[in-house]
Formats: sequence, C-alpha cells, structure tokens
Amino acid sequence: SQKIEQNSEALNIQEGKTATLTCNYTNYSPAYLQWYRQDPGRGPVFLLLIRENEKEKRKERLKVTFDTTLKQSLFHITASQPADSATYLCALDMNRGNNRLAFGKGNQVVVIP
Amino acid sequence: DTGVSQDPRHKITKRGQNVTFRCDPISEHNRLYWYRQTLGQGPEFLTYFQNEAQLEKSRLLSDRFSAERPKGSFSTLEIQRTEQGDSAMYLCASSSGTGGYEQFFGPGTRLTVL
Repeated sequence: SQKIEQNSEALNIQEGKTATLTCNYTNYSPAYLQWYRQDPGRGPVFLLLIRENEKEKRKERLKVTFDTTLKQSLFHITASQPADSATYLCALDMNRGNNRLAFGKGNQVVVIP
Repeated sequence: DTGVSQDPRHKITKRGQNVTFRCDPISEHNRLYWYRQTLGQGPEFLTYFQNEAQLEKSRLLSDRFSAERPKGSFSTLEIQRTEQGDSAMYLCASSSGTGGYEQFFGPGTRLTVL
C-alpha cells in the first residue's frame, strides 16, 4: 500500500540549532515533493517544492533534499527560532503532474528559547 | 485580501442534517481542491476542479458528498445526511494551472456533527 511516513513524535529543539525532519514514502513515484507549514487551527502554508531531478533546494533558513532512490526527503530549519514552532507537512503528487497531493501526518517542531 | 477564503469557519450540526461549505479561491487560479483533515492527520484529498470541470474524486468521497464549481470561480462542498464521522476540518486550496504547483490553502471550515 502507499504510505508517507513522518515522525509522529514532536521534535523539541533549542533555539539556534538545526531542526531536521524526515519524510519517507513507499509505492509512490512523485514528480515532485512539497513541504508545508501548518499552525493550529489554520490551513497549511507552502514552503518549498523540490522536483525529482533536484537533489537540494534552499530558501532562506530552509533546506530540502530529495533522494528518489531512498524514497526520502529531509527538511532542515537552520538557526531555528521560537516562531518556527509549528507542524510541518510533507506532500507529494499522487499521479505525476496533476497536482493531486498526498500528505504525511506532519511532524511537530517546538523551538525552545 | 487576495487569499483563499472559506465560509463558514465553523459549523455545528446534528447528525442527519445537510451542510454546505463555500470556497473562494484566488481569482486567477483555475485549479481548486478540497481536502479533509482530522486531528493528528495530514490533509486528505477529496476532489479537484480545473475551471468548472470536476476532474477527480477520491474513493473516500461517499455519495453523500458532492462538490460543484459552476462558473469556474467559487466552489461549494455539500454533505448530505451528516454522520459523526464527518466531523473534521474541510480545507480548500487553489493553484495556478501554469507554472508552479504550490497550493494556497484557505483557513478551513471546522465541522462538528453531534
């Protein structure tokens, strides 16, 4: 069966450190993978997209890697701040290009001042 | 505000009643998506439109659910004969059919079925 797995345990991290989240998937062949941020009671907000032919993407303090052999994406927040505390969702296209997304359960990050 | 809007933000209803939610996407976006999200889970795809055409429905979408986008602008999602298991956050998102694939989400409608 198809699965997208994100760590169910919250990641507690000290301010200034790098937070690293993992997204593993099985039985998908995505053309791209996206990361979203979601705050309680609000809709997800797009952060980054990485395509299957890209190894790494950066945006400000965020970095995403995509390994189609391992079927894994890593999401890094460098120099983390308390304002980065949120749930981060991994999403991938379910059917190569039609933009129908399948989401993981999300991984909560808590940045401790 | 040029973001995606949803109405109502909260809906409490009794089991067996019908409910309808509205989504207004970003005006130039031709793709519109509906998702459902329950506590501790990620959004789950329900259906999507390109302009006024409904292109795909999830197998999870029972025949009690119907969605429309009559003029290719706003969309409605109706749930008939609500059940307690329908309690969830219903999210709408839109995206441009050209260029990037990021989806812009609305704030969601929180449905509680008593």
